[in-house]
Amino acid sequence: SQQGEEDPQALSIQEGENATMNCSYKTSINNLQWYRQNSGRGLVHLILIRSNEREKHSGRLRVTLDTSKKSSSLLITASRAADTASYFCATDTSQGAQKLVFGQGTRLTINP
Amino acid sequence: ETGVTQTPRHLVMGMTNKKSLKCEQHLGHNAMYWYKQSAKKPLELMFVYSLEERVENNSVPSRFSPECPNSSHLFLHLHTLQPEDSALYLCASSRLGTGAYEQYFGPGTRLTVT
Repeated sequence: SQQGEEDPQALSIQEGENATMNCSYKTSINNLQWYRQNSGRGLVHLILIRSNEREKHSGRLRVTLDTSKKSSSLLITASRAADTASYFCATDTSQGAQKLVFGQGTRLTINP
Repeated sequence: ETGVTQTPRHLVMGMTNKKSLKCEQHLGHNAMYWYKQSAKKPLELMFVYSLEERVENNSVPSRFSPECPNSSHLFLHLHTLQPEDSALYLCASSRLGTGAYEQYFGPGTRLTVT
């Protein structure tokens, strides 16, 4: 069953603006991860946030996690055309080998 | 480059063919994964290998048969596929342990079943 659900499904903004994507999930997690996928390619890991963490930063990316609301957000600041891609959250509830459950993703388009 | 390679990148096969997808990781990881990505559906985990032992098989039809001969290589053997099996098949690898680790994905094999 689907664990993570991203919102919105599609987002189109102007270059330089900030983009915020949200993810909600249903069960307790060990960690939550965000990935990016350019059209028809493999996924690239962006950030991993553990269940005992509330916020993490990496360059222009900021991820928050609210375990009480079972939700996470990904903020991309000062967006660039190269940020155009699909963004997925994935939840990990397993021990040892991971069994990530992915959401449907948010399709982000940055207009020049 | 993520350190995970997949071949072939594109594959067209008939429903009666037998083919294999290959994945190789150069990262020293001990866990490998097969995913299926169909249009308008979430990424689906198919198989998980931990230290070359299969630990997950998510009710995948038997026409998909995985093989993990060592920690660096993973295969997906295909036979008697259906048109609905057309999808992007992604391989990934990760470290193992009690910590939390990200997965590294290959570029995928775009499979078309005719």
